[in-house]
Amino acid sequence: EAGVAQSPRYKIIEKRQSVAFWCNPISGHATLYWYQQILGQGPKLLIQFQNNGVVDDSQLPKDRFSAERLKGVDSTLKIQPAKLEDSAVYLCASSSLSGGSSPLHFGNGTRLTVT
Amino acid sequence: AQSVTQLGSHVSVSEGALVLLRCNYSSSVPPYLFWYVQYPNQGLQLLLKYTSAATLVKGINGFEAEFKKSETSFHLTKPSAHMSDAAEYFCAVSDQSGNQFYFGTGTSLTVIP
Repeated sequence: EAGVAQSPRYKIIEKRQSVAFWCNPISGHATLYWYQQILGQGPKLLIQFQNNGVVDDSQLPKDRFSAERLKGVDSTLKIQPAKLEDSAVYLCASSSLSGGSSPLHFGNGTRLTVT
Repeated sequence: AQSVTQLGSHVSVSEGALVLLRCNYSSSVPPYLFWYVQYPNQGLQLLLKYTSAATLVKGINGFEAEFKKSETSFHLTKPSAHMSDAAEYFCAVSDQSGNQFYFGTGTSLTVIP
């Protein structure tokens, strides 16, 4: 099966600019996650979708970050305006079931550098 | 709330030596536990998972982990390290509902030839 697809792989922007990341999960996976991974740290959950509904966005900085999953398939994460501290790898993951035993399948991530 | 603690942000072992990466969890009920590996410039790849069946879980690449409820631990081991095992390893915990999936801070494994 095809894995989780993310684009772009790398992005460099200046602070206060906007940026968008795209994710296409594994076919049939209902649950989609966006994580932020700062260098040297573990992934931090930004938002979790179940189909096209939001399950958890408690750690999403909503003043500058937004995410959508309109048709319950692919998803976009946007940052506007970007800050220096947003420099990180943004990982998308999906899982097949809503239960806790389902492992997450990750894409290769988008590395964002804000200058 | 669930949480995991990984003791040792950096571990170095000689090629052929035992690998032991430590993970302790905090949970009021038996959680689901996972180990992931991350190679440079790649996403996380599942090594193994514990879902309340056997307490000793075997994963890919010769890794295994043992769930010890009395110690709230889920340490990852491999009998003989290989150069290709050098990577970042993350322990993760999920609750029964699957709505909370938390990662530890990671352990960087270096294998010395």
